[in-house]
Amino acid sequence: EAQVTQNPRYLITVTGKKLTVTCSQNMNHEYMSWYRQDPGLGLRQIYYSMNVEVTDKGDVPEGYKVSRKEKRNFPLILESPSPNQTSLYFCASSFGGGREQYFGPGTRLTVT
Amino acid sequence: QQPVQSPQAVILREGEDAVINCSSSKALYSVHWYRQKHGEAPVFLMILLKGGEQKGHEKISASFNEKKQQSSLYLTASQLSYSGTYFCGTYTTGGFKTIFGAGTRLFVKA
Repeated sequence: EAQVTQNPRYLITVTGKKLTVTCSQNMNHEYMSWYRQDPGLGLRQIYYSMNVEVTDKGDVPEGYKVSRKEKRNFPLILESPSPNQTSLYFCASSFGGGREQYFGPGTRLTVT
Repeated sequence: QQPVQSPQAVILREGEDAVINCSSSKALYSVHWYRQKHGEAPVFLMILLKGGEQKGHEKISASFNEKKQQSSLYLTASQLSYSGTYFCGTYTTGGFKTIFGAGTRLFVKA
């Protein structure tokens, strides 16, 4: 089944404790992206990747890191999480920039 | 530079029609439409590309005015299952970011 998977689905952590949210797709998509969703603000892009080893900042990259060492995986790293990073995070993939995107199930992160 | 969606919310009775608009200040390469139900991930509905190509859902249609940088999503003969939040996503000419509107909440009642 074609899908985007994310782990964990739910995470509660404390300020400053490094964490990684994994994202994997099995559709051989080149473009992958991370979004955060906050009430009233819609989906805001954090980072995107056009292909392996090619990543760039979206609109809200501060406090986040990403890497793309393999085509199928695109982990999101929060090296020192803060309470303002409490949000719902989605990973998405597509065949290319500008094409329709397929979203993972989401990761609800709470930072206390 | 976030695209502006209108209306912000709409309530329909089953069988009624609705139009959701998305307007950008930048030249667009493509516009995507997604529906998100509460607690779930956004689901792709429709894509419209510069030059006229379209791909999407059978019962939902959309238009894309490239000159005005605007797109509209048309929901006809609405069903209860159409309820949710609709987002437009825009991909600008010469850029690589995807920018989403704030969403339109649609509620269909029996």
